[in-house]
Amino acid sequence: NAGVTQTPKFQVLKTGQSMTLQCAQDMNHNSMYWYRQDPGMGLRLIYYSASEGTTDKGEVPNGYNVSRLNKREFSLRLESAAPSQTSVYFCASSFGQGDGYTFGSGTRLTVV
Amino acid sequence: EDQVTQSPEALRLQEGESSSLNCSYTVSGLRGLFWYRQDPGKGPEFLFTLYSAGEEKEKERLKATLTKKESFLHITAPKPEDSATYLCAPFGGGYQKVTFGIGTKLQVIP
Repeated sequence: NAGVTQTPKFQVLKTGQSMTLQCAQDMNHNSMYWYRQDPGMGLRLIYYSASEGTTDKGEVPNGYNVSRLNKREFSLRLESAAPSQTSVYFCASSFGQGDGYTFGSGTRLTVV
Repeated sequence: EDQVTQSPEALRLQEGESSSLNCSYTVSGLRGLFWYRQDPGKGPEFLFTLYSAGEEKEKERLKATLTKKESFLHITAPKPEDSATYLCAPFGGGYQKVTFGIGTKLQVIP
C-alpha cells in the first residue's frame, strides 16, 4: 500500500547544479502533480499531468521541467538550481479533476 | 485573482474543547472545496471534498460544511492526535484552479 513515493527525501544542491525529483504512484491514478510548499505560502502548483502523455504548466513553472514517463511515474527536473528554489516539493496524484489528491511525503531541497 | 484565507492561523485547544476553523475564499467558477490535514514533515492527507452550498461531510470528530463564500471545519471533543495543520483548497474549472490556503495549525493539549 505504498501510495505516492518520492525520492530523494532530502537534497542539498549548489547553485547551478541540476537534479531530478522522482515520483511514482501505484493507485492507477490518471492525473499527477508537482507542488512546492514555502513558509507563509500555500501549496503552489508547478506542473501537472492530466493524463499519461500530457503535461501542462501550473502557477510557478519557471526553472522546472517535467516528464510523465508512464502512467505511474512523473519526474520534476531542475536544470540549473537557484537559491529561490529552496523549498519542500510534493508530488500528488488523483483519478481526475475534482478528485481528492494523494500526496507523497515530500522532498526537502536546499540550494546554496 | 483567486484568494483563500484561513483563520485562525493557529489554535490551541484543551482536549475535549470543541471549536471551528474557517476558510473564506474568492474563487471564480467555484466547483468545490478540499480539506486536508498535514502533519509536520509529511504530505497533506485528504479529508473531504465538498461540492455545493449546504453540503456537510463527517469523519470521526471532524465535520466540514460549505456555504457560497466560506467553509468550516468543526472539531468536536478533539484529542491530542488531532493536532496538525488543516488546509483548505477551493477549486474551480481546470487542474490549475486549485488554490491552497496557508492553513490553521491546531494544537490539542491533553
